[in-house]
Amino acid sequence: AQSVTQLGSHVSVSEGALVLLRCNYSSSVPPYLFWYVQYPNQGLQLLLKYTTGATLVKGINGFEAEFKKSETSFHLTKPSAHMSDAAEYFCAVSEGSNDYKLSFGAGTTVTVRA
Amino acid sequence: NAGVTQTPKFQVLKTGQSMTLQCAQDMNHEYMSWYRQDPGMGLRLIHYSVGAGITDQGEVPNGYNVSRSTTEDFPLRLLSAAPSQTSVYFCASSAQGGANYGYTFGSGTRLTVV
Repeated sequence: AQSVTQLGSHVSVSEGALVLLRCNYSSSVPPYLFWYVQYPNQGLQLLLKYTTGATLVKGINGFEAEFKKSETSFHLTKPSAHMSDAAEYFCAVSEGSNDYKLSFGAGTTVTVRA
Repeated sequence: NAGVTQTPKFQVLKTGQSMTLQCAQDMNHEYMSWYRQDPGMGLRLIHYSVGAGITDQGEVPNGYNVSRSTTEDFPLRLLSAAPSQTSVYFCASSAQGGANYGYTFGSGTRLTVV
């Protein structure tokens, strides 16, 4: 069975500073990895996903993540935080293209200071 | 607009009452699922379906029933509500091979059981 650990339940950054959200996973097979964002009182929106191929994945709103198999990690970064990035972020894993079930991390809430 | 529609958005139930959370999608997706979101725990899978007439249990199925009579609809039934079922519920869908196509989430139903 797969699982996800997100390090840090809250992250506070200054506007313009680097955003770094950490995600480590466990999976018995090559994983498919996802980052979702949830704005207040809304559903989840896909930021980016890794399935196969290039390990550096670019997503929407300037976010990117790098799959590192040796470290079982899939950390999310954005070079310069914007006030609109304040939200909750979830890392998720599934076990391959035919596994429909997502396992989510506990989430990381990002606040952006002016 | 195409997507996943959840109704109602908010609901308050008394302990022991029953109700059905509705979920409908118009994207002809084979896979549908229900998650519950609780603070500090991320999203946990309740039940899922890989097609009409096929359902299976997820991580936290107790107290919930589902059925899938059509491709479009996947209702979640609470048979006898308990305060522990106070949560935000999300429905999600994806095309066959979900991890490759991504998952679309509804906007959620906030349920309070008193």
